Amino acid sequence: EAGVAQSPRYKIIEKRQSVAFWCNPISGHATLYWYQQILGQGPKLLIQFQNNGVVDDSQLPKDRFSAERLKGVDSTLKIQPAKLEDSAVYLCASSPRYEQFFGPGTRLTVL
Amino acid sequence: AQSVTQLDSHVSVSEGTPVLLRCNYSSSYSPSLFWYVQHPNKGLQLLLKYTSAATLVKGINGFEAEFKKSETSFHLTKPSAHMSDAAEYFCVVTMGSARQLTFGSGTQLTVLP
Repeated sequence: EAGVAQSPRYKIIEKRQSVAFWCNPISGHATLYWYQQILGQGPKLLIQFQNNGVVDDSQLPKDRFSAERLKGVDSTLKIQPAKLEDSAVYLCASSPRYEQFFGPGTRLTVL
Repeated sequence: AQSVTQLDSHVSVSEGTPVLLRCNYSSSYSPSLFWYVQHPNKGLQLLLKYTSAATLVKGINGFEAEFKKSETSFHLTKPSAHMSDAAEYFCVVTMGSARQLTFGSGTQLTVLP
């Protein structure tokens, strides 16, 4: 069974630039999550989708972050404009019901 | 509200000696608890989970954890450390129908030869 795929694996941008991350969940998994993991901390949930609907985006900084999951499969997370404090690993996870399966993450560095 | 506290940010053991990674939780209701492991540049992997069945939970790679409600603890143990166990370990709590995970701050395990 293929795992959760994420791309790119690494991204370096200047502050105030835009960036987008892509996630392809495990086939058949209805729930998709995006997490932000700052160095030295545990992952923090940004947004949760159930199929193509948003379940919870209360911790998503909506002035600069946006996410979508068109057709209830792939998802993209966008940051516009990026700030220095957005430097982190962005993790995508999918779940068929209870257990979450994580992708390798995208490491973002904002200079 | 739910939370977990990992009591040690770094733990160092010698290969072949026991491992103990400590976790305390706070939850208003009966929680589900997990331990995840994160190797460098790899995704988080589930080690084991407690979901209100047996209080002693066995996971992969020889790890186990015991749920102690009276102590609000869910410590992770392994009888004998292996070099490949060196990684970051996260204690995680979840509750509610949304099944959202709340992560601890992590414990970095170093295994010395």
